[in-house]
Amino acid sequence: EVQLVESGGGLVQTGGSLKLSCAASGFTFRDVGINWVRQASGKGLEWVGRIRSQTYGYATEYAESLKGRFIISRDDSTDTADLQMNTLETDDTAVYYCSGEIGYPFEYMYVWGKGTTVTVSS
Amino acid sequence: DIQMTQSPSSLSASVGDRVTITCRASHIISRYLNWYQQKSGKAPNLLIYGASTLQSGVPSRFSGSGSGTYFTLTISSLQPEDFATYFCQQSFSIPPLTFGGGTKVEIK
Repeated sequence: EVQLVESGGGLVQTGGSLKLSCAASGFTFRDVGINWVRQASGKGLEWVGRIRSQTYGYATEYAESLKGRFIISRDDSTDTADLQMNTLETDDTAVYYCSGEIGYPFEYMYVWGKGTTVTVSS
Repeated sequence: DIQMTQSPSSLSASVGDRVTITCRASHIISRYLNWYQQKSGKAPNLLIYGASTLQSGVPSRFSGSGSGTYFTLTISSLQPEDFATYFCQQSFSIPPLTFGGGTKVEIK
C-alpha cells in the first residue's frame, strides 16, 4: 500500500523549534518529490515547500514567507523526509501534511499523509 | 505568484445533481491544474491532474476541463460521498505552488 505517515507534531511555545517527519512505504521513495502543505483550522491549503526527487537533484523550494525559518530535507536510505521548523509563531499553528509528488510534465500530489497537528502557543 | 480563484466558495446541492466548480488562474498556466477533494478531518485526495486526467480509482462521474486560465470540475451526478471541499492547484510556476481557496459542497 502506498503510504505516508507524519509524526512529530505537538505543542510548542512561540520562538521554539519542532521537527516533523514523513515516513514513506509502498513506493520507490527516491523517485518521488515530497511537499509539505499546512492547513489552519477552518482554512484552506497552504503550501510550505518541497524537496524534489533525485532526478531533479534534490532541489528545495519554499513559500517566500517561510524561507529561512523552515528547512526540508530527505534521506532516501530510510525513506523519510523532515520539516525543521524554527522560530515558530502562533500563525504556524496548523495541521501539517506531507505529500508525494510525481508526474511529467504535469506534476501532482498523488499520495498524502493523514497529517500531524502543530500548536504554537504564546 | 500565480493566484488561483475558485467559485463559488460554497454551494448546496442534492443527490443526483450536476455540479460544476470553476477555477481561474491569474496567469496562463496551460493545463498545469490539479483538483483535490478533502473530506472533513481528512487529508486531501487527488481527483484530476493535468486539467482533465482522472486519477486511478476516482469515479468517472468526476471530470475536469479547461486550459489557459479557466478550468472547471464537474460532478455529473452528485453522490452522498461527494459532499466535501474541493481545491484546485497550479503546478505551472513553482515556487510558490498555489491552491484555490476551496469550494465546499453541502447537502441541500
